[in-house]
Amino acid sequence: AQSVTQLDSQVPVFEEAPVELRCNYSSSVSVYLFWYVQYPNQGLQLLLKYLSGSTLVKGINGFEAEFNKSQTSFHLRKPSVHISDTAEYFCAVSVRGSARQLTFGSGTQLTVLP
Amino acid sequence: GAVVSQHPSRVICKSGTSVKIECRSLDFQATTMFWYRQFPKQSLMLMATSNEGSKATYEQGVEKDKFLINHASLTLSTLTVTSAHPEDSSFYICSARSRLGAEQPQHFGDGTRLSIL
Repeated sequence: AQSVTQLDSQVPVFEEAPVELRCNYSSSVSVYLFWYVQYPNQGLQLLLKYLSGSTLVKGINGFEAEFNKSQTSFHLRKPSVHISDTAEYFCAVSVRGSARQLTFGSGTQLTVLP
Repeated sequence: GAVVSQHPSRVICKSGTSVKIECRSLDFQATTMFWYRQFPKQSLMLMATSNEGSKATYEQGVEKDKFLINHASLTLSTLTVTSAHPEDSSFYICSARSRLGAEQPQHFGDGTRLSIL
């Protein structure tokens, strides 16, 4: 079974400051890794994904994430946040090859302050 | 990009009513669709996996007679909450994955806010 831990439930940050949202996972098999963003009363939008290859993945809205296999982490970063980045962010994994289910972390509420 | 349409976006109804939620993949074929439930300030909880042309697979603790799922075509899955009660009030989200490979990400609908009075 897989599990995902998002260490911070809430991250407040000032506008134009950098931010890192942490994600660690546990799995006995290789996984694909995803970050999703959820705005209030909406579904989830894919920010970026890691399937294979380069461990640094760039996504939409200026976000990027780095896969670290030894530390089983997939932290999300943005060098300068905007007010519009305020949302809930979910890290998720799925098993490579055959499984189709996503296992989600508990989410991190990012609040960008003016 | 891939678009998933979920309808209705909000439902308010009396206790005992059955409510049907539709999930459509608009520009791709989805052999698998997923139904999630999300409580306030919490993560998504997978309720069931819906495969086109076959019975849905329900997660442990989810009542299959309460939450009826039908996946009649490659672009449509429906979730019917039967005889809904106030404790069924929640945010329900569907997602769909393209038939083109397990590495393809799930694409999510915008969710349905269900409120049972």
